[in-house]
Amino acid sequence: DAGITQSPRHKVTETGTPVTLRCHQTENHRYMYWYRQDPGHGLRLIHYSYGVKDTDKGEVSDGYSVSRSKTEDFLLTLESATSSQTSVYFCAISDGANTEAFFGQGTRLTVV
Amino acid sequence: EDQVTQSPEALRLQEGESSSLNCSYTVSGLRGLFWYRQDPGKGPEFLFTLYSAGEEKEKERLKATLTKKESFLHITAPKPEDSATYLCAVQANYNFNKFYFGSGTKLNVKP
Repeated sequence: DAGITQSPRHKVTETGTPVTLRCHQTENHRYMYWYRQDPGHGLRLIHYSYGVKDTDKGEVSDGYSVSRSKTEDFLLTLESATSSQTSVYFCAISDGANTEAFFGQGTRLTVV
Repeated sequence: EDQVTQSPEALRLQEGESSSLNCSYTVSGLRGLFWYRQDPGKGPEFLFTLYSAGEEKEKERLKATLTKKESFLHITAPKPEDSATYLCAVQANYNFNKFYFGSGTKLNVKP
């Protein structure tokens, strides 16, 4: 299994509070991704990174920010959580263009 | 706009009953098409990558094929342990940093 660890695995938070999810990899892969998965929508890309301090938006980036200060860590922050951000969040890594992505085990986030 | 559509949404098979899952895509220049398996409560697990029309890949009871507009995941003589959601994703030539996923096909194989 690819060395990807997401933390926390489960979190319940209140509307309006900031939340940070962490993705840690031990594979030294260049690309890292954050996806959310919701019933009927499949996996949707939030943000991705193509190197340290190099990030870009995905298709559902509003309300989210990311940071990558080290190759191994990619943080996803919900600045002010809303109920619509209740979802399962997956981190993925890839070692370069044209290759498959490997996924973490997911973080289930509930915003109440 | 790049799109990936999977059908059917759900499929129930008897053990040993072969079938196929479909992934149709519209993308401006396909760089790669990927198949994943996802079990409940887990992250997607990589199965195959296909790059060009006519290409085929096999793994145990699974065989993936690719045409210019769609891909099929053929399941031969499935077993209950093949029950899972199968996802496909595409990568475009113009923006290979991103993977676009379909909504998946939930397969249930009954003994």
